Amino acid sequence: AQSVAQPEDQVNVAEGNPLTVKCTYSVSGNPYLFWYVQYPNRGLQFLLKYITGDNLVKGSYGFEAEFNKSQTSFHLKKPSALVSDSALYFCAVRWGAESGGGGADGLTFGKGTHLIIQP
Amino acid sequence: KAGVTQTPRYLIKTRGQQVTLSCSPISGHRSVSWYQQTPGQGLQFLFEYFSETQRNKGNFPGRFSGRQFSNSRSEMNVSTLELGDSALYLCASSRGPDSNEQFFGPGTRLTVL
Repeated sequence: AQSVAQPEDQVNVAEGNPLTVKCTYSVSGNPYLFWYVQYPNRGLQFLLKYITGDNLVKGSYGFEAEFNKSQTSFHLKKPSALVSDSALYFCAVRWGAESGGGGADGLTFGKGTHLIIQP
Repeated sequence: KAGVTQTPRYLIKTRGQQVTLSCSPISGHRSVSWYQQTPGQGLQFLFEYFSETQRNKGNFPGRFSGRQFSNSRSEMNVSTLELGDSALYLCASSRGPDSNEQFFGPGTRLTVL
C-alpha cells in the first residue's frame, strides 16, 4: 500500500525567506510524486511532479522539490517566499508504471500543510 | 482551453436523500477521477473512469457510485446521504489512465443536514 506523510500541519515563514514543506512517502517500487496547492474555495492546482530523471524538479511559481530515494522524501522548496504563496499544500504519490502499477490507482494524498507567509 | 467544470458548485441536502454531481473534463481528456475532501480525512480517492469503465475504486461504501458517458463527462451519485458525507467533492481529468498529471476542477461543496 502507498502512503504519504506531511509531518507539519502548519509552516510559518517570513516573506523573503526560504521555505520548505516536508513530505515523506511509502510505496512499493518506484513512486510517482506530486505537489499540489489549494487556495481557499478552489480546487487543487498542480505545482510539479517527479516521475524519473533528475532528482531536482522545478515547477510552477518558482517552486522546486528534491526527490531523495534513500530518505523516501520529496520536500517542496522555494528560495524566497511571497505572501501570495500562503495556501494549503498537498503532497501525493502514485505507484509507478514500471513497478507494475499503471496509474489505475488514484493519487494518495498527504493530510496537507498550511503554509503561512508573514509580511 | 476550458478547464475541468463541476456542477453544481454548492449543494445542500438532508439525511436520507440522494445526490448526483457532474464533472466535465478538459476537452480531449478521457480519464476522470473523483476525490472526497474533508477536514478529518483529508483527500481520499473515490474512483476513476476511463472509456466509460470504472478502472479502480477507493475504500468507500456502495452508496457511492459513478459513471462515465461516451463524451467523457462523468457523474457521481451518493444515495442515502449521511451527515458524514458532507465534503468537498473534487473531480480530476487526465488524458488517459497512464497520464501522470491530473487537472482538478473547483469542486462541489455538499452539505448534508
